[in-house]
Amino acid sequence: DTEVTQTPKHLVMGMTNKKSLKCEQHMGHRAMYWYKQKAKKPPELMFVYSYEKLSINESVPSRFSPECPNSSLLNLHLHALQPEDSALYLCASSQDPGEQFFGPGTRLTVL
Amino acid sequence: AQSVAQPEDQVNVAEGNPLTVKCTYSVSGNPYLFWYVQYPNRGLQFLLKYITGDNLVKGSYGFEAEFNKSQTSFHLKKPSALVSDSALYFCAVRDMFSGGYQKVTFGTGTKLQVIP
Repeated sequence: DTEVTQTPKHLVMGMTNKKSLKCEQHMGHRAMYWYKQKAKKPPELMFVYSYEKLSINESVPSRFSPECPNSSLLNLHLHALQPEDSALYLCASSQDPGEQFFGPGTRLTVL
Repeated sequence: AQSVAQPEDQVNVAEGNPLTVKCTYSVSGNPYLFWYVQYPNRGLQFLLKYITGDNLVKGSYGFEAEFNKSQTSFHLKKPSALVSDSALYFCAVRDMFSGGYQKVTFGTGTKLQVIP
């Protein structure tokens, strides 16, 4: 299985809601990533987990909270988001840091 | 810090013609370079990588890239473009410093439009 899956595909939430994004990979990759991507822009790195431990946090606001329950699963918990947080959220995994496998993304809209 | 630049926001090419998408890099030490493609409303897909060895790297879907150390370039090429190649292409470089060996820095992206 060479796929990274993400759920949900689309999410609409209000600024007071709490929601979570889920990402799963079964390739045995040691690293997992969260990216935020605005339209026609490159992905912006948010978090990196290596061996289930948070190794990089790119100064992301605390309203985004990552979690890695096991080596196959990565969550992103969302709370009190702002409209400018609306974007495509991409999950990726890798064994080699450069060669990353991306999921299809979650299209998030914050009202 | 490592960086890559993609000088063209958009490249238009006729179907069947060769295509080139440009990328230049700025790194300290040996570069680890990559190309990714993103189709509309999809995640990124890895195309190819250069780490060391031959300057011509072959990748997925008939794409190849030419590494040129003297010009610090890593251009993506394909001999004959298909309409289905129309997508957003990102050049990327691996960050080897500041404990950030797991980081990849992406270029700004080039939209490739193949005209039938």
